[in-house]
Amino acid sequence: GQQLNQSPQSMFIQEGEDVSMNCTSSSIFNTWLWYKQEPGEGPVLLIALYKAGELTSNGRLTAQFGITRKDSFLNISASIPSDVGIYFCAGLMDQFYFGTGTSLTVIP
Amino acid sequence: KAGVTQTPRYLIKTRGQQVTLSCSPISGHRSVSWYQQTPGQGLQFLFEYFSETQRNKGNFPGRFSGRQFSNSRSEMNVSTLELGDSALYLCASSLATSGDTGELFFGEGSRLTVL
Repeated sequence: GQQLNQSPQSMFIQEGEDVSMNCTSSSIFNTWLWYKQEPGEGPVLLIALYKAGELTSNGRLTAQFGITRKDSFLNISASIPSDVGIYFCAGLMDQFYFGTGTSLTVIP
Repeated sequence: KAGVTQTPRYLIKTRGQQVTLSCSPISGHRSVSWYQQTPGQGLQFLFEYFSETQRNKGNFPGRFSGRQFSNSRSEMNVSTLELGDSALYLCASSLATSGDTGELFFGEGSRLTVL
């Protein structure tokens, strides 16, 4: 199936720092979604993007739909301990394809 | 508004057995899709149902099957379980129309362990 390359695989940051992660692919996607998953829980939708170039914010989170439609970026500003979790992207073509996730650890 | 509900949350089976998992979507959502999540493979698409019809299917063997009822509730079944079927099975519902797939809202998953 389609591969979504998500990076970085893991991040260890100090509380208050900003975080950036991205997903790239060789294929074109029509929709990008970003999720956060905590241990023992299902993924929770953070941001949805529908148009190339779209920039959308949700509180301290900002995501962008790449101009080429082959990538997307998620930024978290001023991280806090409750941001800990695994973040992953999902791109829609004929079905949704998922990135392998970025594990975020925030050190107080 | 209730979210996506999956049952059971946890279950343990032995090789060769079969299992049925249930998913109740968000009220008004007609699309239900299923995913397998494992540490090594991440989230893998199993199948999607819309208005009781399978609309799309991933690359899983025929041991994996599903169905959707008229109230949009869905079940998935895995027969002849193998050790490699141990995973978190996630259901997602969507306010999709007949021609597209909308945002996915996930349940908390059913954790299957095969011994």
